[in-house]
Amino acid sequence: EDQVTQSPEALRLQEGESSSLNCSYTVSGLRGLFWYRQDPGKGPEFLFTLYSAGEEKEKERLKATLTKKESFLHITAPKPEDSATYLCAVQGLNYGGSQGNLIFGKGTKLSVKP
Amino acid sequence: NAGVMQNPRHLVRRRGQEARLRCSPMKGHSHVYWYRQLPEEGLKFMVYLQKENIIDESGMPKERFSAEFPKEGPSILRIQQVVRGDSAAYFCASSDRTGNYGYTFGSGTRLTVV
Repeated sequence: EDQVTQSPEALRLQEGESSSLNCSYTVSGLRGLFWYRQDPGKGPEFLFTLYSAGEEKEKERLKATLTKKESFLHITAPKPEDSATYLCAVQGLNYGGSQGNLIFGKGTKLSVKP
Repeated sequence: NAGVMQNPRHLVRRRGQEARLRCSPMKGHSHVYWYRQLPEEGLKFMVYLQKENIIDESGMPKERFSAEFPKEGPSILRIQQVVRGDSAAYFCASSDRTGNYGYTFGSGTRLTVV
């Protein structure tokens, strides 16, 4: 069964204190791995898609990396406005051609204190 | 570009009533996905639709739930005879044909069954 596990569940950082979030996945053939940010009371906001092991993508203070079993979201010198829940999702190859079925983890709730 | 529009934002229904959730996809997007987020749980895929077609409904409960995306107008997620366990946040997402640029999520409808 395809599944996604994110750790830690919650992370508290001081402003400027860099860290990483982990997303471990099991999927029978990876079509893509997605990172989203979700603020309270809002829908997930798309950050990155990674397709193959070794791929990296960056956006401002965020950098996502991918291996065959996990992905990391590195946050460099975070600011309070980076506080949010970060969601990881995978899409497998064998969904009968359907591109819709993203399997989400439960997320990591990040708090950055000034 | 208004993004993905969902309404209502909040919906309160008594047990046994019907709930109708609406989703207008982002301009230029013809693929719509519905997800449910229960408290303390991750987002769970429900259904994937294109105009006038249900592509994948593997995540939909077999009874009381239905979805449509007519040729004209928004996508509708319909829940008949609601029960307390249906209380959740329901998110709609849309994408272009490829889905390669991530799925754009709406702000969700928070359904409370009393």
